Amino acid sequence: DTAVSQTPKYLVTQMGNDKSIKCEQNLGHDTMYWYKQDSKKFLKIMFSYNNKELIINETVPNRFSPKSPDKAHLNLHINSLELGDSAVYFCASSQRGEGSEAFFGQGTRLTVV
Amino acid sequence: AQSVTQLGSHVSVSEGALVLLRCNYSSSVPPYLFWYVQYPNQGLQLLLKYTTGATLVKGINGFEAEFKKSETSFHLTKPSAHMSDAAEYFCAVSTMNRDDKIIFGKGTRLHILP
Repeated sequence: DTAVSQTPKYLVTQMGNDKSIKCEQNLGHDTMYWYKQDSKKFLKIMFSYNNKELIINETVPNRFSPKSPDKAHLNLHINSLELGDSAVYFCASSQRGEGSEAFFGQGTRLTVV
Repeated sequence: AQSVTQLGSHVSVSEGALVLLRCNYSSSVPPYLFWYVQYPNQGLQLLLKYTTGATLVKGINGFEAEFKKSETSFHLTKPSAHMSDAAEYFCAVSTMNRDDKIIFGKGTRLHILP
């Protein structure tokens, strides 16, 4: 059983389109995250949700909108896609507590053409 | 605010040689420290973590790291490199406050030479 699963794994789309990435975790964790990894492998946090409540919203364009229907799911919707949005997006989850590590999904490689 | 600096974006070692990947952190409160590994086209996998207690931490695949508060360092080592160790390695820091987040370093690509 995959602990943190994201769909789709690959996403190729044209500029201006709207797309969504879905994430589910079956670890019973209370916190979920979206990270963006650029072409230089730099990982930057975008959002964090704890028990469906938005906790962290780093300086991300408002074209990006996360949605957490329940604490096992955190989806990412992106409007009006731009070339610079091309990256690998990782979903992760953790259980709030001292020293809890994050468990990562396999990533979604988004290519905007 | 926390930050992580990984020295060397690329490190090459010969198979069988010592692996040393350097990580320094900055944190205003006691940190939690992590090393993750990323193989090509995959997600991140936890190698080891330091929370409290023993400063020498052992992880998977023969890796270990030592937390040195005086040097604000958490370097990753492995006595003998294997070809399968070739990957991207990330050091990360967190403090687990309410707005906790895990901050990653820029990564070090480890190359293993035959």
